[in-house]
Amino acid sequence: GQNIDQPTEMTATEGAIVQINCTYQTSGFNGLFWYQQHAGEAPTFLSYNVLDGLEEKGRFSSFLSRSKGYSYLLLKELQMKDSASYLCAVRDWQAGTALIFGKGTTLSVSS
Amino acid sequence: GAGVSQSPSNKVTEKGKDVELRCDPISGHTALYWYRQRLGQGLEFLIYFQGNSAPDKSGLPSDRFSAERTGESVSTLTIQRTQQEDSAVYLCASTLPLVRGYGEQFFGPGTRLTVL
Repeated sequence: GQNIDQPTEMTATEGAIVQINCTYQTSGFNGLFWYQQHAGEAPTFLSYNVLDGLEEKGRFSSFLSRSKGYSYLLLKELQMKDSASYLCAVRDWQAGTALIFGKGTTLSVSS
Repeated sequence: GAGVSQSPSNKVTEKGKDVELRCDPISGHTALYWYRQRLGQGLEFLIYFQGNSAPDKSGLPSDRFSAERTGESVSTLTIQRTQQEDSAVYLCASTLPLVRGYGEQFFGPGTRLTVL
């Protein structure tokens, strides 16, 4: 089966750096996605990793270690608008091409 | 259109009634997915359409749930004899074929269903 774990909640202050971890167990791993979801809105795509290593996109970076079943999303220079839920999702060929989502990490950024 | 659209944005219904939710994917996106998100929970996969292939219905929670898609256009998700446990946000997503990218899913704004 598949299992995705991420912390339920995190807090941080403006300007800081925060790392949101995600661990997963799948039988046919074929990519990991991070999405951002503001309250009451649809998820929006942030990043994709399929090979080990770090992918950087502006203030956001995502890391993957396939051997450890581990990923993290790194947010730098936090802004108030970064307060949202961050969803880790895995594509598993054993389950077709639909994504398997974790429950999300709610990040609260304070001034 | 510019993005995935869904209608209605909100639906309140009485227990036992049928509801129909609509999704218009991004033009040219061959794959379409339906997810359910209960309050405070992650997204739960329901059903997946890819072109003219048979849909993957493995996530549908019961036979009260069904979905249709005509070609690569509009999809409708139907819930018959709604129950209070069906209350959730129903999200639709579409993607380009994997040969044209890594298949990130573009989500619509969702339909918030409340069953009284």
